[in-house]
Amino acid sequence: DIVMTQSPDSLAVSLGERATINCKSSQSVLYSSNNKNHLAWYQQKPGQPLKLLFYWASTRESGVPNRFSGSGSGTDFTLTISSLQAEDVAVYYCQQHYSVPYTFGQGTKVEIK
Amino acid sequence: EVQLLESGGGLVQPGGSLRLSCAASGFTFSSYAMTWARQAPGKGLEWVSCISGSDETTYYAASVKGRFTISRDNSKNTLSLQLNSLRADDTAIYYCARSRNSNCYTSNDYWGQGTLVTVSS
Repeated sequence: DIVMTQSPDSLAVSLGERATINCKSSQSVLYSSNNKNHLAWYQQKPGQPLKLLFYWASTRESGVPNRFSGSGSGTDFTLTISSLQAEDVAVYYCQQHYSVPYTFGQGTKVEIK
Repeated sequence: EVQLLESGGGLVQPGGSLRLSCAASGFTFSSYAMTWARQAPGKGLEWVSCISGSDETTYYAASVKGRFTISRDNSKNTLSLQLNSLRADDTAIYYCARSRNSNCYTSNDYWGQGTLVTVSS
């Protein structure tokens, strides 16, 4: 199984400041046949359905604010919130969909400092 | 509007069975792969199973293979998960999710609110 490791487990950021979450996979999730990283980012807020933020590592899902960005390739990926807003308080997960089982990272909790 | 509504959760004894359902609406159900994932109380997400939208190929996590069965009824726009030989560590909120296309090897763009399964004597 591909192990997904996120860092940090939690972080507290002041409103308007940058938040950076890292995700590392135990093997590359870059699929050679389509040259795409099979890596997604999700946001989970209490009482709400999970929300897809990015697919193919860096393609922003429709409706996601552009203060969110996804980057990386191969085994190392980053989710960045350029200017943290109060509504961004949530747990964020990366997930690989390169090989079954499609494993998630352990999650990163983002709070306001 | 895409909607996914899970049902069927509840309290079951170890070794028992349960059948979860996910009612889908707002899209052409047969054209999309569908996934089940779960989240134990206070824990992270675990991918459980997926069924493709084209040839209905199924995939399972090792932890549930042989005990859980995913299926779909395209005529009723319903996804199901049959849970057998349940164990305490199967206790979780079970979510259904739509894949972005008919294949399982893609991300999930819509998720339901989940249904809670509690395995306890």
